[in-house]
Amino acid sequence: ETGVTQTPRHLVMGMTNKKSLKCEQHLGHNAMYWYKQSAKKPLELMFVYNFKEQTENNSVPSRFSPECPNSSHLFLHLHTLQPEDSALYLCASSHGDREAFEAFFGQGTRLTVV
Amino acid sequence: GENVEQHPSTLSVQEGDSAVIKCTYSDSASNYFPWYKQELGKRPQLIIDIRSNVGEKKDQRIAVTLNKTAKHFSLHITETQPEDSAVYFCAASNSHRDDKIIFGKGTRLHILP
Repeated sequence: ETGVTQTPRHLVMGMTNKKSLKCEQHLGHNAMYWYKQSAKKPLELMFVYNFKEQTENNSVPSRFSPECPNSSHLFLHLHTLQPEDSALYLCASSHGDREAFEAFFGQGTRLTVV
Repeated sequence: GENVEQHPSTLSVQEGDSAVIKCTYSDSASNYFPWYKQELGKRPQLIIDIRSNVGEKKDQRIAVTLNKTAKHFSLHITETQPEDSAVYFCAASNSHRDDKIIFGKGTRLHILP
C-alpha cells in the first residue's frame, strides 16, 4: 500500500449517469493529481491541485469536474460521459514542495462507460 | 508545456542481458526526472529518479543517465530477471515552477527465458 486509496475500484456507468471517483491520502502531501490511463495515452495528466488550489487543467472536457475539499481528499465528478472515456483513472499525491517530488499512486478506478 | 518522448514502446531482452530505455524532453527548465515501473494490474511505482545537478545515478541493477545539453535521459537495467517484466514510464517536471509531472508513453519490457 502506498497510502493513496481510490474508490470505487471498478465502475460501470451509462452515458446519462452522474458518478464520482474518490481519492484519499494520509501521507501529509499537499499536491494531488488525476491521471487517465488508456491504451492510446498511457499516463495522461488531467488535473493538479496544490494546497487545495487547482494549478493545472490539461484541456480536459467539462464532463469531468474535479473537487479538492482539503489536502487529503480529491474527487472527480463525472457526468454525461462518452464510451471513449472508458479508462483507468489514477490518483496520485506528492509533497508538493521543491525537495520531495515522488508521486505516490492509488490503485486506480477502472471506468467503463456503456 | 513539457513534452516527453519515450522509446522504444516495446522491448524484449533475453534474461540476463541488459535493457535500455530512452527518453527526451522539451522543456530545458525541467530539473527532475523519475522512472516508474508498472506491473500488470498494479499501480505505477517509483524505481529511481535523477535531478538535473547530476549526470548519473545507480541503484543495484538499475541506473539512470542524464544529458541536459541534449535533453535526454535513459534507464539501464543490467542482468535482467523475469520480475523486471513490466511497463516502464519516464517523466519530467520542474520542481521550481509547478507540480506537473509529465510522463512518456511507456515501454513494455518483456524478459525472455
